[in-house]
Amino acid sequence: NAGVTQTPKFRILKIGQSMTLQCTQDMNHNYMYWYRQDPGMGLKLIYYSVGAGITDKGEVPNGYNVSRSTTEDFPLRLELAAPSQTSVYFCASSHRDRGPNEQFFGPGTRLTVL
Amino acid sequence: KNQVEQSPQSLIILEGKNCTLQCNYTVSPFSNLRWYKQDTGRGPVSLTIMTFSENTKSNGRYTATLDADTKQSSLHITASQLSDSASYICVVSPISGGYNKLIFGAGTRLAVHP
Repeated sequence: NAGVTQTPKFRILKIGQSMTLQCTQDMNHNYMYWYRQDPGMGLKLIYYSVGAGITDKGEVPNGYNVSRSTTEDFPLRLELAAPSQTSVYFCASSHRDRGPNEQFFGPGTRLTVL
Repeated sequence: KNQVEQSPQSLIILEGKNCTLQCNYTVSPFSNLRWYKQDTGRGPVSLTIMTFSENTKSNGRYTATLDADTKQSSLHITASQLSDSASYICVVSPISGGYNKLIFGAGTRLAVHP
């Protein structure tokens, strides 16, 4: 199993550009999450999904959108990039039986907005 | 407000030495507390998980303790190795929380020098 994979690893965007961060898991996990990690801060939840077709906002959803058309994929969309979105983004997944308590994380995407 | 505070922010030790990382939380009641290890440029990986009724949990050279009365947890690393160089993150799950309620600490960055 590859686990949770994320692409790209690094990206530099100009203000106002848009992009999609990709996340795929091959563990047949129902639940998937997107976090951002800022320097000196704990991970903050952006969006999460409990299954295909179901998504919900986390703590810091503004400026982002998600979709969940399949169990495996959970892309995160930035429509109008802003410098405040410079961060490291982590995707995670967990099995339905474990709920949010045992999350497996991807390697992260480092995004810089200039 | 539910919070998780970790100390120290960073720590340097020599290879072979022991160290202890601290986690103080105000989350109450909570269902479990987990310690993650995050290597540079990677996603967090779970080390230990303890329910509110457990006092200690070991994973090889890593031993986590929990004192629910003082709302403190510690992670003790024995006979440190260069590969222990990483950030260590404390995460608390509020008992009334759902998928968007995990509280992440900012982490302790540990450097093990030869």
